[in-house]
Amino acid sequence: GDSVTQMEGPVTLSEEAFLTINCTYTATGYPSLFWYVQYPGEGLQLLLKATKADDKGSNKGFEATYRKETTSFHLEKGSVQVSDSAVYFCALSSGSARQLTFGSGTQLTVLP
Amino acid sequence: NAGVTQTPKFQVLKTGQSMTLQCAQDMNHEYMSWYRQDPGMGLRLIHYSVGAGITDQGEVPNGYNVSRSTTEDFPLRLLSAAPSQTSVYFCASSSIGTGKVNTEAFFGQGTRLTVV
Repeated sequence: GDSVTQMEGPVTLSEEAFLTINCTYTATGYPSLFWYVQYPGEGLQLLLKATKADDKGSNKGFEATYRKETTSFHLEKGSVQVSDSAVYFCALSSGSARQLTFGSGTQLTVLP
Repeated sequence: NAGVTQTPKFQVLKTGQSMTLQCAQDMNHEYMSWYRQDPGMGLRLIHYSVGAGITDQGEVPNGYNVSRSTTEDFPLRLLSAAPSQTSVYFCASSSIGTGKVNTEAFFGQGTRLTVV
């Protein structure tokens, strides 16, 4: 079945540091890939997505590129802010289904 | 726009009690789903629905029932609560979309359930 393996957390960075959160996946066919973010006390929000190989999703300074050859979708940001502190989830959706398969989540804390 | 509304936000149950978690969306989305979130395990799908009158099981359906009598509402029922059902529950909705386009899922703010 489908699965998502995500970088273990928690991750603590200083403001303006470079962020990478690794995500690899196993899926049948050609899945769509997502990063969701969960701020404290809130539900998940879509951060970015990519629907085919070599697509780059981007939003709020975050980027991730769909790498079919390495089955990866790593999340990056060049300069993190305190307001980026949250839990980040990598997810996929394959075939015609709408079910999302999630990774375990990575807690990011950014210190001023 | 209200989006996806879940009630209650917090609930404590005794083992064996039953309850219903409510979920409503005002975006006319066909697809709705329930997830549970446990530490270190991400979100796991409990049940989902692709439209009124149609439901199906996800990865962890045991101990939960759902129904979908309207497009807007998708309640989750715990028939006899167990401590293993202590978790945070999220409802989500999305439009079906066309072809391979996987549209954005919108999530409620969650229900934190404790079973003692």
